[in-house]
Amino acid sequence: GQQVMQIPQYQHVQEGEDFTTYCNSSTTLSNIQWYKQRPGGHPVFLIQLVKSGEVKKQKRLTFQFGEAKKNSSLHITATQTTDVGTYVCAGYSSASKIIFGSGTRLSIRP
Amino acid sequence: GAGVSQSPSNKVTEKGKDVELRCDPISGHTALYWYRQRLGQGLEFLIYFQGNSAPDKSGLPSDRFSAERTGESVSTLTIQRTQQEDSAVYLCASSLVRGGNQPQHFGDGTRLSIL
Repeated sequence: GQQVMQIPQYQHVQEGEDFTTYCNSSTTLSNIQWYKQRPGGHPVFLIQLVKSGEVKKQKRLTFQFGEAKKNSSLHITATQTTDVGTYVCAGYSSASKIIFGSGTRLSIRP
Repeated sequence: GAGVSQSPSNKVTEKGKDVELRCDPISGHTALYWYRQRLGQGLEFLIYFQGNSAPDKSGLPSDRFSAERTGESVSTLTIQRTQQEDSAVYLCASSLVRGGNQPQHFGDGTRLSIL
């Protein structure tokens, strides 16, 4: 069945360093969404990507959707302590099924 | 309310008991989803509703799990004869309509602990 894998599972960085998480699907996606879940909190919607090769930016966050629409990445430039949390991708297949990735947990050394 | 509301926020019960978890979606949202999140794990899809119908029940782990939705609003997730492996946070989300172009809005979840 369809799978959405996220790597790495954990990332521990020094404040100010960059961070990237990758999301890979076993099948072509119609679109992908990214969510952020703070420790003890619930997922909060960040952004949606729909077009092949699409790139979107939110301040220090850059989101990309692969040309084949099977992978996506989230890059954070110059991390801050407020970036701590788990970043989760959610892929929608053409059958309108949503599969959440397992998430990448980001921790930051001040 | 402004967001998705879930109750109770915490539930501790003995193995073998039944539990009922409630979700109040954002007003006007026709799609409603239930997920399970075990400690340190990702979201596990359980079931979704479009209106009061549940076209996709494929994620329900066993026949001990059931869910219903009434009035295209409140939904309840019932777990019968609870087992220790049912311990998890149960998250509810709603979206304006069912579909990949709609963001899901999550509640704070119900933390279920089975003794």
